[in-house]
Amino acid sequence: DAGITQSPRHKVTETGTPVTLRCHQTENHRYMYWYRQDPGHGLRLIHYSYGVKDTDKGEVSDGYSVSRSKTEDFLLTLESATSSQTSVYFCAISESTEKLFFGSGTQLSVL
Amino acid sequence: EDQVTQSPEALRLQEGESSSLNCSYTVSGLRGLFWYRQDPGKGPEFLFTLYSAGEEKEKERLKATLTKKESFLHITAPKPEDSATYLCAVQGTGGGADGLTFGKGTHLIIQP
Repeated sequence: DAGITQSPRHKVTETGTPVTLRCHQTENHRYMYWYRQDPGHGLRLIHYSYGVKDTDKGEVSDGYSVSRSKTEDFLLTLESATSSQTSVYFCAISESTEKLFFGSGTQLSVL
Repeated sequence: EDQVTQSPEALRLQEGESSSLNCSYTVSGLRGLFWYRQDPGKGPEFLFTLYSAGEEKEKERLKATLTKKESFLHITAPKPEDSATYLCAVQGTGGGADGLTFGKGTHLIIQP
């Protein structure tokens, strides 16, 4: 998966608890993205980063925050998880904003 | 707003039976159209990038073509290992680093 590691791979949590997902890359790519994938919706962009400490919102950013303190790490935080945030979360990286390489995903269940 | 529509949603073929998947798109200005393959439980895997109408790319049994309104992914003499979900995505000139807009995918099943 192009040097991308997502952790955890699976997580079950309860409504109202904070959750942090981690994406780690070894490719030194500038751009990093968080997508969620849901049946009937396809992949939707949550947040992205274009450099250390440089982030911006995507299409479905409400309820999510991100941080990037190092080139290799991009964290996605759900401050107070809700059942609507049950999904598969994918991290992606890119050197040129065009061709994206994806991680293996994190299956998150919010009960 | 960029939009991508893929059809059919699902397609079942016999091994060796060629067919095409469609991706219709609306974008302010096309920077690139992308095809990905996704296997169950895995992340999307990059296949092709097409940049301008008339362009074609090939990889093994797959060939992607592009017009000003749609792209086709042609599958010639498919094998069971070609079974996967195929995703189409676009990037418009309006955005900066804000990723790709994806379609919902075509779930392809190749029966032996």
